[in-house]
Amino acid sequence: GAVVSQHPSRVICKSGTSVKIECRSLDFQATTMFWYRQFPKQSLMLMATSNEGSKATYEQGVEKDKFLINHASLTLSTLTVTSAHPEDSSFYICSAKDRSSSYEQYFGPGTRLTVT
Amino acid sequence: QKEVEQDPGPLSVPEGAIVSLNCTYSNSAFQYFMWYRQYSRKGPELLMYTYSSGNKEDGRFTAQVDKSSKYISLFIRDSQPSDSATYLCARTNFGNEKLTFGTGTRLTIIP
Repeated sequence: GAVVSQHPSRVICKSGTSVKIECRSLDFQATTMFWYRQFPKQSLMLMATSNEGSKATYEQGVEKDKFLINHASLTLSTLTVTSAHPEDSSFYICSAKDRSSSYEQYFGPGTRLTVT
Repeated sequence: QKEVEQDPGPLSVPEGAIVSLNCTYSNSAFQYFMWYRQYSRKGPELLMYTYSSGNKEDGRFTAQVDKSSKYISLFIRDSQPSDSATYLCARTNFGNEKLTFGTGTRLTIIP
């Protein structure tokens, strides 16, 4: 089955620093990847849609200069949280859409970010 | 009004019981409906999807869509402790890649 990995699985950083999270599709090509944020006991909120080779599309209310997304290849997308603050602490999950699927997204295991 | 409404629970049922999870949606243009299962501190995994009204069965799981009332359900038969997780309903439109999730229902199956 389709596998999506994320790295790191957990990261703790100090306020004001930047953190990069990687999302990889391991056995398929993902023309589109999505980044979600999930706060405790809440649902997934889409942050941005990332297409290979083009700029990401951000959802309303998501600061594109704070959450930098790069989708450099068909198997890798990165999310960089710049100048992180404690309120950015959350569970960040990526998903990848197989180019052959019209709807199905495969989710990564998530990255727990804690900003101290 | 949220596009997808889901009772967050928590819901606790004894092992072996039938579980009923429900969502309502507000946009009649939605074409695809999915149910995801999410274990604690893990990413969601797709359980079932459907794009038409009626029932779809897969093992112990049955997904039901009623487009006239904009209501979607997931039934779990012979529930097991391993079914304890958060269940998220989601929808998307044909040709639109975005998924909109419900809040998720936290389910606990009591041995």
